[in-house]
Amino acid sequence: DGGITQSPKYLFRKEGQNVTLSCEQNLNHDAMYWYRQDPGQGLRLIYYSQIVNDFQKGDIAEGYSVSREKKESFPLTVTSAQKNPTAFYLCASSPRGQGRTEAFFGQGTRLTVV
Amino acid sequence: DAKTTQPNSMESNEEEPVHLPCNHSTISGTDYIHWYRQLPSQGPEYVIHGLTSNVNNRMASLAIAEDRKSSTLILHRATLRDAAVYYCILSAGGTSYGKLTFGQGTILTVHP
Repeated sequence: DGGITQSPKYLFRKEGQNVTLSCEQNLNHDAMYWYRQDPGQGLRLIYYSQIVNDFQKGDIAEGYSVSREKKESFPLTVTSAQKNPTAFYLCASSPRGQGRTEAFFGQGTRLTVV
Repeated sequence: DAKTTQPNSMESNEEEPVHLPCNHSTISGTDYIHWYRQLPSQGPEYVIHGLTSNVNNRMASLAIAEDRKSSTLILHRATLRDAAVYYCILSAGGTSYGKLTFGQGTILTVHP
């Protein structure tokens, strides 16, 4: 079945460690996005990519990094520079920009830093 | 990015229609109106989107005001599975690739 897969579902890390969250899609979508969600809040855009080997910062990119070496993959690294990394992270993809088309979201990764 | 305003919460009874309002007075001519919903600990799910005309699909209907400064998501017969947070989002349909900017959304409670 086509879809977007995030792994792992739950992730625990010690403070000061970098951690990479996986996002894979087999929908042949050009665009991919990473969002962060804190309890009781809406989603905030971290990074997005419209095409392979290109990506742009979203509203809260500080302390995060991404790569887009393959069309189907868009991993997110939460670095030690991120002041408050504990959150629910969501990956999304869409055929082109999200403006005219629907976006598909993964089931999320809940990151807890202790 | 243009902003939307939604009520924090709404309640409905099962099998009754639900009208979820959204104000977007600063909408531009190329902004699309999107609705997504999110269940606890899950990713958002697309519901519907439109530009100027009213839209219908298997999940819901979207009624857009003539001046486009407001819209209403209509669930024709609410079920318990419709209980979720509903987000009304504006997204540019031009060359900016229309990033989705999420607000707080409306928490919909459906009573049996």
